[in-house]
Formats: sequence, structure tokens, C-alpha cells
Amino acid sequence: QSALTQPRSVSGSPGQSVTISCTGTSRDVGGYNYVSWYQQHPGKAPKLMIYDVIKRPSGVPDRFSGSRSGTTASLTISGLQADDEADYYCCSYTGTYISYVFGSGTQVTVL
Amino acid sequence: QVQLQESGPGLVKPSETLSLTCTVSGGSVSSANYYWSWLRQPPGKGLEWIGYIYFSGSTIYSPSLKSRVTMSVDTSKNHFALKLGSVTAADTALYYCATTRTYCAGGDCYPGGDFDNWGQGALVTVSS
Repeated sequence: QSALTQPRSVSGSPGQSVTISCTGTSRDVGGYNYVSWYQQHPGKAPKLMIYDVIKRPSGVPDRFSGSRSGTTASLTISGLQADDEADYYCCSYTGTYISYVFGSGTQVTVL
Repeated sequence: QVQLQESGPGLVKPSETLSLTCTVSGGSVSSANYYWSWLRQPPGKGLEWIGYIYFSGSTIYSPSLKSRVTMSVDTSKNHFALKLGSVTAADTALYYCATTRTYCAGGDCYPGGDFDNWGQGALVTVSS
């Protein structure tokens, strides 16, 4: 199955907001409430930031929020901080087969 | 909180079988609360889901890797394992184990849509 489409990079100044999009199809992003987002710092394992489209795990700051419109999910980081600089991946369950598909990843740069 | 640690050979020859183990601490592989997942990330590239196994031994594998993947659970050692056969250079990657939470309703349990605990990863290089 094809990877979900994410922008290669986004950037913002400290304190600003950035939004990362994740575009799929009705067979994945648009069809199930199983969209999640992961933050990955260099040399580290991914960390779950958002699950079930909009839910935040315990310990994740409320500056991180998820949403979805049709077949596009989004991750918004508000009040950008230096430590937010990382790669971010979206993931969706896909019902074409019982499987999970990831986005290609977005590098967030804090200017 | 469940903690995971991958282990296994860092170098595998082409056409041979890659074998990794994920040791679980702070929880039990016999727990019905999780599906035990494997994912991988080629150097400098994105993430790919390989599959998962439930404590019952039930497995679901990625369609693209299904013909080469075998997963198992060892309750006596509290670990679960991945075998990937007929490897090529394209299988060179950082391999992660992770948990997928289970949701139960009406007597049926099914895997959720995310990976909430991750191991630190194990780099496996396929080369002669």
C-alpha cells in the first residue's frame, strides 16, 4: 500500500504554530479513527504524540493537537519550542488489508 | 509502564534469516492488554510496520512481508521474537519492537491503531 503524503519540511519561530498535514484515502485516513502521530529525535525511538486522530497520551503537552478533515489528518504544534525540532510521522490503520501505513515523515525546524 | 529491549545479531548474510528478540519488562507477554508489534526503519528513511502477535499466538503480518515473516511469543522468557527469511540489502534497517493496545467490547478484543511503547531499536545490516 502507498505511504501517506506529508510535506518534507515545515519551520517556524519559537512561540509560533506549525501544522503538518497527512493525506491518505478513504481506505485509511478517511475511513478509520486510527490515525496516530509520532515524534522522532535523531538517534531516538519514535514517541507517540497523538492517537485515535485527536487524543493525547498522558505526558504529552497540550501544545500538540490532532485533527482530520476528510482524507487529510493534521498535527498542530502551538507555542513552538526548541525541543520540538524533530521528525514527525503520521500513521493510519488501513482496511484494504489489516495493516498500518506510515507517512514519509516531516522535518520540523525551529528557526 | 511496559519497557522493551531488542536484541539479536547486527549482521546477517544475504539469503539468510534475520532473528530478533524483544524482552519485556514492567509487564507480561501473557497480558491480553497488548498486541506485540515489530516495525523497522531503513537508515535515513521512514517507518514500516512488519506485523504483530497476540499472547494467544494469533498473528497479523504486513501484506508486503507476509511470505517471509514469522513471529512468536515465549511466555517463560517474557519475550517475543521476529524472524525474517531470505533477507537482502533492502532489509537493512533499525528494527523496533513496540506495543499496540488492545480494546475489548462485547467479549471480543482487537488491536488499536497506535504504537505506544517502543524499544530503543536494533540495527541489522544485511551484507556478505
